[in-house]
Amino acid sequence: GENVEQHPSTLSVQEGDSAVIKCTYSDSASNYFPWYKQELGKRPQLIIDIRSNVGEKKDQRIAVTLNKTAKHFSLHITETQPEDSAVYFCAASGSGGSNYKLTFGKGTLLTVNP
Amino acid sequence: NAGVTQTPKFQVLKTGQSMTLQCAQDMNHEYMSWYRQDPGMGLRLIHYSVGAGITDQGEVPNGYNVSRSTTEDFPLRLLSAAPSQTSVYFCASSYSSAGASYEQYFGPGTRLTVT
Repeated sequence: GENVEQHPSTLSVQEGDSAVIKCTYSDSASNYFPWYKQELGKRPQLIIDIRSNVGEKKDQRIAVTLNKTAKHFSLHITETQPEDSAVYFCAASGSGGSNYKLTFGKGTLLTVNP
Repeated sequence: NAGVTQTPKFQVLKTGQSMTLQCAQDMNHEYMSWYRQDPGMGLRLIHYSVGAGITDQGEVPNGYNVSRSTTEDFPLRLLSAAPSQTSVYFCASSYSSAGASYEQYFGPGTRLTVT
């Protein structure tokens, strides 16, 4: 089955700096790569996603890049703000007959210091 | 729309007890799933369903049963609770079309403690 590795497990940045979180996946058939943000005690919420026919996608301060050859994808947050502090999860799905099954990375705790 | 709802929010069980975690969605989503979240482990898939009457196992199915009699509801049953099942449980649902994956919407979670 799919295996998703996420790094780093913790990341601390100063307000205004950029943050980058990286994930690798094992199944070359995966074709959907979402990123979720989870604040303490809350449910995970989608912040951005990308499909395998696209190399990069941006939404204001957030961007995701995908390298299918290397099987890795990254989340980029620019001009970080204290409210960006949360746990971020990457995920992958789209393998074979179980297209909807998401395999998650173990998460990155991002702390943005004022 | 209420989205995805889960009950109860919190539950304490004794070892060996059984219970059902409820999950419902009002978005007419075909795909529903259950995850457990443990510290440092991310979200792990327990069981999932691609439509009423169709369920399958995920990564960590042992000790859990599911059924899907309607599109809206997807309950998770713990048959004989064990301390290792202490966790936060999330239900999720998503639209599905032509085999393509879409955003999964999560419920608020159920925090379960087994003593």
